[in-house]
This record gives sequence, C-alpha cells and structure tokens, in this order.
Amino acid sequence: AQSVTQLDSQVPVFEEAPVELRCNYSSSVSVYLFWYVQYPNQGLQLLLKYLSGSTLVESINGFEAEFNKSQTSFHLRKPSVHISDTAEYFCAVSDAGNQFYFGTGTSLTVIP
Amino acid sequence: DTGVSQDPRHKITKRGQNVTFRCDPISEHNRLYWYRQTLGQGPEFLTYFQNEAQLEKSRLLSDRFSAERPKGSFSTLEIQRTEQGDSAMYLCASSSRRPPKYEQYFGPGTRLTVT
Repeated sequence: AQSVTQLDSQVPVFEEAPVELRCNYSSSVSVYLFWYVQYPNQGLQLLLKYLSGSTLVESINGFEAEFNKSQTSFHLRKPSVHISDTAEYFCAVSDAGNQFYFGTGTSLTVIP
Repeated sequence: DTGVSQDPRHKITKRGQNVTFRCDPISEHNRLYWYRQTLGQGPEFLTYFQNEAQLEKSRLLSDRFSAERPKGSFSTLEIQRTEQGDSAMYLCASSSRRPPKYEQYFGPGTRLTVT
C-alpha cells in the first residue's frame, strides 16, 4: 500500500512571502499525484495534479508543484501567498485512479 | 450541474444502531468513491465503484461497513451496529473516465456522531 507523508502539520507565513508545503510518498512505481485544498467550512477541491509529462505542474491561482521521482516528492510552492490562501492542503497519491491515499494535511495560515 | 451531494449532512445515532448515507454523484461521472475523515487526518479511502461494479472493497474498515451502487448512479454506505469509533466525516467523491480523468469532485460530507 502507498503512504503519503506531509511533513508539516501547520505552516504560518506572512502575506506576500513564499511558501513550500512538503509531500513525500512511499512508492517508486508509477503513480498519479494530487494536491487538494479545503477552505474553511468548504469541501475538498482539486488544486493541481501530475499524471505524466512535465514534472512541473501549475494551478490557476499561482501554486505549483514539482514531481521528483528520485526523491519521491511532490512539494507544493507559491512565490507570494495571499490571505485567501489560508486553508488545509492535502497531498494525495493514486495508482492509476483506482485507490487514493491522502496525507494528514498541512494547515496553511497566512498572517497579514 | 449541482455537484456531488450527500444526505444527510449530519447524523447522530446511538451505539449499536445501523445508519445509511446516500451520495449522488455528478450525473455523467462513472466512478464514485467513499472516504472517511477523522479529526486531524486526511481522507481515508474506503471503497469505489465504476458504474455499478464495486471494484475495490478490501479497505472497508470492517464487515460492518458495506456500500452499494445498484444502478450506477447514486450510492449508499451502510454501517451496521455502530460503535463510538465510527464517529467521523464520511465523504463521497466522483470522477469521470473522460478527460480530465482522475479529477475527483467531493461532496460536503456526512458527519456521523455515535453516542
């Protein structure tokens, strides 16, 4: 079975500062990788995904994640965070879209 | 499309009772997933369907848990003889086999409290 490790449970960061949320997964076989976001009092939403191709994937709101196969990592980054980015972020891995394994989440708090 | 819906949103039950939750996926989505989420944890995969076929159920938490999707549309998750440890948020998600594949759309969840 796969496992996903999100190394930081809470990340406070000042507005307009850069942020990196770390994610490592257990398997070196082909996997699909995802980041989901959960804003306060809302459901989970897909932020971005890696299925194949370019190892750098981007979301429409300025986040990006890089798939690093040798380090089995899929860290999420944003060069300048906004207050509205305050949310819980979950990393997930899937074996071809069948079973999904989620990390325990990272709570990002953006400080004005 | 109104997205994935779940009913009820909240359920309080006494230990030993049976409960059933319903999930209505996005209409054209053929895959439907059930998860459990407890406080401070990420969603924990339970089972999934492709159309009416349940393709993975080994990760259902015990034989007290069962799920159905009889006509390939809505699904139900039943927990028999509930225990206090079953208290959690139960999430449903759906996805399409057409591009963009593997994008799961989550419902708002059903919060179960077992007293």
